[in-house]
Amino acid sequence: DAGVTQSPTHLIKTRGQHVTLRCSPISGHKSVSWYQQVLGQGPQFIFQYYEKEERGRGNFPDRFSARQFPNYSSELNVNALLLGDSALYLCASSSVLAGSPETQYFGPGTRLLVL
Amino acid sequence: DAKTTQPNSMESNEEEPVHLPCNHSTISGTDYIHWYRQLPSQGPEYVIHGLTSNVNNRMASLAIAEDRKSSTLILHRATLRDAAVYYCILRGAGGTSYGKLTFGQGTILTVHP
Repeated sequence: DAGVTQSPTHLIKTRGQHVTLRCSPISGHKSVSWYQQVLGQGPQFIFQYYEKEERGRGNFPDRFSARQFPNYSSELNVNALLLGDSALYLCASSSVLAGSPETQYFGPGTRLLVL
Repeated sequence: DAKTTQPNSMESNEEEPVHLPCNHSTISGTDYIHWYRQLPSQGPEYVIHGLTSNVNNRMASLAIAEDRKSSTLILHRATLRDAAVYYCILRGAGGTSYGKLTFGQGTILTVHP
């Protein structure tokens, strides 16, 4: 079975632009979470979606938004890009919502560079 | 979220055991202890988790202190492929934690041939 896939793998944008990152979860997984990892730091939680509804949100500005589609894939959108948005964006999927210590499976990430 | 404290870095030789410590003195009674690792240029991957009892799987063992205020991830025979950043994470069993993993700085493990 394919793992979590993310596209694109790399992306270069300029300040003020917007970006859309995509994630396909493992087949059968209904929960998708997004993380931002700045160089040298651990990943920071941005969003979780379960059954197409937002179930958790981290401390990120409203420029960050996401959605989940009926096939459980997900998009992360970032508007008005800033230099500080340069990071590795990770998507993780799991089979259930929290309430059990379910394993989260991460994709390889999308590396975004904002110039 | 309860906080974890890990050493910034550790070193090991290949084929030797590695003990990676984690302190979590403010852990609540329902928090699970999870370990993830992140190999270079990859997303994090699950290693092991536990609640109260010691746990073993094919990747590692998790030893949890009796008072649950600390735990140790044990790699029984380190290989070069185990060189990674290891994250100790506490996860609540529901409520508002949902799918959120709170990563700290982690421990950078270097394995020498």
